[in-house]
Amino acid sequence: DAMVIQNPRYQVTQFGKPVTLSCSQTLNHNVMYWYQQKSSQAPKLLFHYYDKDFNNEADTPDNFQSRRPNTSFCFLDIRSPGLGDAAMYLCATSREEYSDTQYFGPGTRLTVL
Amino acid sequence: AQRVTQPEKLLSVFKGAPVELKCNYSYSGSPELFWYVQYSRQRLQLLLRHISRESIKGFTADLNKGETSFHLKKPFAQEEDSAMYYCALSGVNSGGYQKVTFGTGTKLQVIP
Repeated sequence: DAMVIQNPRYQVTQFGKPVTLSCSQTLNHNVMYWYQQKSSQAPKLLFHYYDKDFNNEADTPDNFQSRRPNTSFCFLDIRSPGLGDAAMYLCATSREEYSDTQYFGPGTRLTVL
Repeated sequence: AQRVTQPEKLLSVFKGAPVELKCNYSYSGSPELFWYVQYSRQRLQLLLRHISRESIKGFTADLNKGETSFHLKKPFAQEEDSAMYYCALSGVNSGGYQKVTFGTGTKLQVIP
């Protein structure tokens, strides 16, 4: 009965090789978020979708892109991963933006070789 | 700019002892504050939020606007409370957009 699913749970890629992380939800929530979390650091919001409207955080590098083809799915694309992009990537959803409770997926741990 | 500070990376307490996980924030408006918890090998999940004024698993948190704090408290720690706790703030940033900012987290270790 998982509500926010992330695939894969572990992803290994090579320096510079594009990679896509996947998130799906069964909650029918309007909002989907992507966070990056490095070791011992706070989750850092990269961007979010409210329905089809994309909202990018000002300090998110251009290397990170996202797609939301429908309500249930959202993808994080890293065009040219660098060693500094190795992190845990968390997907979350909420019914409404920000002030609503967020439901998190288990995360995808990305390793860049 | 909004900021959330959790000064303790690790807090160790004995079972049955009181627990207080500190959270201080910096925000000029009226914030909405949350505590999220991550148990071992589980996903991050909401513990409580200040607007609901609930007590979840014996935990409470009171928003103190004068001290800009939202400390998480429990009178008697249990072993199953061992987890990572994150304080989060939802507010409006300088661009007029709502934004959630997480603290760096405090690992609570309850010693049997």
